[in-house]
Amino acid sequence: DVKVTQSSRYLVKRTGEKVFLECVQDMDHENMFWYRQDPGLGLRLIYFSYDVKMKEKGDIPEGYSVSREKKERFSLILESASTNQTSMYLCASQGFGTDTQYFGPGTRLTVL
Amino acid sequence: AQTVTQSQPEMSVQEAETVTLSCTYDTSENNYYLFWYKQPPSRQMILVIRQEAYKQQNATENRFSVNFQKAAKSFSLKISDSQLGDTAMYFCAFMKPLYSGAQKLVFGQGTRLTINP
Repeated sequence: DVKVTQSSRYLVKRTGEKVFLECVQDMDHENMFWYRQDPGLGLRLIYFSYDVKMKEKGDIPEGYSVSREKKERFSLILESASTNQTSMYLCASQGFGTDTQYFGPGTRLTVL
Repeated sequence: AQTVTQSQPEMSVQEAETVTLSCTYDTSENNYYLFWYKQPPSRQMILVIRQEAYKQQNATENRFSVNFQKAAKSFSLKISDSQLGDTAMYFCAFMKPLYSGAQKLVFGQGTRLTINP
């Protein structure tokens, strides 16, 4: 089975802090994604990556950056956290040429 | 741009009943994929069922089936003999196939389904 793990289930940070959210997948998938989930809005794509060191902006990239130095790991970075970035963050991976995304358990981030 | 709309924010049914969740989408593409994902209270999102737009036959997975109406751009999920474990957020999602690079999912707003004993 595909396993996607995220470094934290719950995270509390202060406004202005730099925040790293880590995601690791164990199925050698080329594609990885970061979404944020907010009530009434569903999931919205922040960034995705289709290869090591490759990244593309999703629908809401402002205030975020990403890093993919190794195939199995995709990091989401909040350079200076703000209260409006309080949300649930979900990571997903997908094999190239396949249509199913596999999700991690999510990280509930609270920015105070 | 593609959009996905789930018009039912919340639904509640009794155990063993049948329930249908609605989803409509907007696209100019002819070939694409549609999905229903389930997110139980434990939060792990899992795939329930998928449909390829070029296939006219509706997909089924045990108690889960879809009613795919391509012309109407409608993709509803039917859960038969509902069980307490079906309690979850359900998301409808659209994927436009890309022939290189990653394939992005566009999600609806979600429907919170509660199965009552």
